Amino acid sequence: EVQLVESGGGLVKPGGSLRLSCAVPGFTFTKAWMNWVRQAPGKGLEWVGLIKSKTDGGTADYAAPVRGRFIISRDDSKKTLYLQMNSLKTEDTAVYYCSADPGGAATGPLDSWGQGTLVTVSS
Amino acid sequence: QLVLTQSPSASASLGASVKLTCTLSSGHSSYAIAWHQQQPEKGPRYLMKVNSDGSHRKGDGIPDRFSGSSSGAERYLTISSLQSEDEADYYCQTWGAGIRVFGGGTKLTVL
Repeated sequence: EVQLVESGGGLVKPGGSLRLSCAVPGFTFTKAWMNWVRQAPGKGLEWVGLIKSKTDGGTADYAAPVRGRFIISRDDSKKTLYLQMNSLKTEDTAVYYCSADPGGAATGPLDSWGQGTLVTVSS
Repeated sequence: QLVLTQSPSASASLGASVKLTCTLSSGHSSYAIAWHQQQPEKGPRYLMKVNSDGSHRKGDGIPDRFSGSSSGAERYLTISSLQSEDEADYYCQTWGAGIRVFGGGTKLTVL
């Protein structure tokens, strides 16, 4: 089973910034399309954004609530995914999960998940 | 707009079967979906992909008790021989160009 390990969560003030990381050792990271998904307390899963593999263009797409504030990037040499979160709002408070998608022609289903990292935005 | 609709809750008795439904929005009835399970206080777990023709492919280690099927715009997850550990939230998920979408989730209670 693929292991995805998120880190970087914590408490941040509104308007602040935070960077999350997701390490994916022992996995065909370079081919995967990597996603961030969040879950606010007591709520359902919400897709945040994805980054394609470099082979498939390496571009990122974002959900409307975070577009222009969040940036997803990847370092294939380190098998690590990042989420740079800027201009944070209280409504960004959630557990953030990284998730892998097979990529290429099989892209779509998120078939591997991390354990999540909690981000709390509060003054 | 690509939307997935799920009933908020379902319940069934220990040892029985239950069928959860995920409905695709109008114009998207040909889309495949994925099912994910989230047990209390845990991260999500991928269960399977279900295609519009009803074929499905399960993730590694998913028991035979879990199966998927389709009819029109509806995608189903059937769990047979319910066990206590099946009590969880179940989410369907689909995808389009540059977007991934989750349903609101169904909370399954095993009585």
